[in-house]
Amino acid sequence: QSVLTQPPSVSGAPGQRVTISCTGNSFNIGTGYDVHWYQQLRGTAPKLLIYGNGNRPSGVPDRFSGSKSGTSASLAITGLQAEDEADYYCQSYDTSLSGPCVFGTGTKVTVL
Amino acid sequence: EVQLVESGGGLEQPGGSLRLSCAASGFTFNTYALSWVRQAPGKGLEWVSAISPGGSTYYADSVKGRFTISRDSSKSTLYLQMNSLRADDTAVYYCAKGEIQWEFPPGAFDIWGQGTMVTVSS
Repeated sequence: QSVLTQPPSVSGAPGQRVTISCTGNSFNIGTGYDVHWYQQLRGTAPKLLIYGNGNRPSGVPDRFSGSKSGTSASLAITGLQAEDEADYYCQSYDTSLSGPCVFGTGTKVTVL
Repeated sequence: EVQLVESGGGLEQPGGSLRLSCAASGFTFNTYALSWVRQAPGKGLEWVSAISPGGSTYYADSVKGRFTISRDSSKSTLYLQMNSLRADDTAVYYCAKGEIQWEFPPGAFDIWGQGTMVTVSS
């Protein structure tokens, strides 16, 4: 059971802005660990989308942005495009678990 | 090009064993943390195990005592020995490279393999 909670789904029309929340606690995001985001297109491996809370790897469009505050983080997609329809996962580290890495529950983004 | 290629998946009976491999190329293998992450059919990502650059190993509670992570630096290959397999171990298993050299926790997972399917069923 994941300790990082995301909404199961969000949707928006092309061109709109959508946001995905990632809620943790004082043992993970709240300790100061960075939050990272991954995009998983249907049938493919996850791809790093945002690292270190708000940094984009080379090749990731600037339509994607991330932020972190307190025990939560969020991913925003502006100018939504059909190709953005995918599953999105946040990830961080946790001091209360024997295994330190945790993923969020995942959010399906649907482009209407 | 930095690349990870998994192999070794397949169909195994409950209680059986499998060993997954992840062949790495394009980076200095033993200077980065490597992890195994799995995804059950229709479900989300679940971190399974990691090995630090120094060789320390970490496991999720769900696999502790049954799975063993290891690496062979001479072959630039990561392994996951899976014993006492259960039906709920059925998943695609990905290996993933940590972003930050010499660090654990290693930041984000910046490179992923294509995954290998493990099915546990009688």
